Amino acid sequence: AQSVAQPEDQVNVAEGNPLTVKCTYSVSGNPYLFWYVQYPNRGLQFLLKYITGDNLVKGSYGFEAEFNKSQTSFHLKKPSALVSDSALYFCAVRRSQGNLIFGKGTKLSVKP
Amino acid sequence: DAGVIQSPRHEVTEMGQEVTLRCKPISGHDYLFWYRQTMMRGLELLIYFNNNVPIDDSGMPEDRFSAKMPNASFSTLKIQPSEPRDSAVYFCASSLTPFTGLSSPLHFGNGTRLTVT
Repeated sequence: AQSVAQPEDQVNVAEGNPLTVKCTYSVSGNPYLFWYVQYPNRGLQFLLKYITGDNLVKGSYGFEAEFNKSQTSFHLKKPSALVSDSALYFCAVRRSQGNLIFGKGTKLSVKP
Repeated sequence: DAGVIQSPRHEVTEMGQEVTLRCKPISGHDYLFWYRQTMMRGLELLIYFNNNVPIDDSGMPEDRFSAKMPNASFSTLKIQPSEPRDSAVYFCASSLTPFTGLSSPLHFGNGTRLTVT
């Protein structure tokens, strides 16, 4: 069965430092992976996706994600964090039926 | 593009009352999804429609929950009777074919926060 895990409930980073939000997945076949962000009192917004091709995927707001097949991971990264990046981040994987399964979410807190 | 529009933003009701949540998808999107978000269970898919037809309702928790999509621009999620454990944020999302994010991401509304006392 397809699944996705976000091992950290919260990640704390100082502004200007690099950030990583972790995601691991379990799928049969080729994985289709996604990252979404949720700001307070808002719906989820699409950040980036991996379908095929380069293992480093670039997305919105300076975020990127690295696909690692051997480690079954799809970690979200940003070289220099901003206070405005503070939000809830969701990793998702596409099921064989087509719909997405979301992780529990990781709260990112960036302090000035 | 106004995005996915949900109403109301907040709903407070008493146990046993009927609750109706509404969603207007993005024009031209032919997939519509209803999700529920809670602290304990995260984001759960309840049901989704394609061209107004329900495709998979296996996530609907109980018979108290029902969803309809009478036309391409409107969907409702109804809970009757409501219970305190139904308290959550309910999201509607839509996407354009082909299916689910491979070429078009899900677009979410801002959600309805439901509180059942």
